[in-house]
Amino acid sequence: DAKTTQPNSMESNEEEPVHLPCNHSTISGTDYIHWYRQLPSQGPEYVIHGLTSNVNNRMASLAIAEDRKSSTLILHRATLRDAAVYYCILRFSGSARQLTFGSGTQLTVLP
Amino acid sequence: DTAVSQTPKYLVTQMGNDKSIKCEQNLGHDTMYWYKQDSKKFLKIMFSYNNKELIINETVPNRFSPKSPDKAHLNLHINSLELGDSAVYFCASSQVDEKLFFGSGTQLSVL
Repeated sequence: DAKTTQPNSMESNEEEPVHLPCNHSTISGTDYIHWYRQLPSQGPEYVIHGLTSNVNNRMASLAIAEDRKSSTLILHRATLRDAAVYYCILRFSGSARQLTFGSGTQLTVLP
Repeated sequence: DTAVSQTPKYLVTQMGNDKSIKCEQNLGHDTMYWYKQDSKKFLKIMFSYNNKELIINETVPNRFSPKSPDKAHLNLHINSLELGDSAVYFCASSQVDEKLFFGSGTQLSVL
């Protein structure tokens, strides 16, 4: 499985945008880029995913580099409730295979 | 209504005991998973079932045995518990190629 690399931790001020980076230099053409987050004492929850084009939903935006070797999760206005571990994951299309989670980025939001 | 529910939430037991964790999903998904999250927060796949059929069995001791009586349930039975089995165990479900929905986790402590 292709691997992802994320910073261990990041900080942001409340109500400011947050850009969470992810490197996936060995991504294959059929790998989707998924983002999940895990709030304290909870299971991971889906945030967003994409293949090539940038994606937006009510939670976040996903910016994918043209060569697909990196991506950035964008939280437009961080709130205290966004403090969590954010996981960037690659998923092979057309398979029931699992998502392989790395160590993620611990996001701290400062009031 | 809870989409993916697992019981118990906490499980404290002695070494050598046998225990089970139950998982149920009401989302109509075909695929269910068991993940283990250790103290360093790494989230590792253990098993995956698709329509009651085992499709992924990662390197997990034989003491761990999943059972899927129907596609809405995936239970995890653990024999001869060891100290190293202490972790948080997450159940999840999805359709193929779709996002995963996780349960809230079972904190297993082996004394």
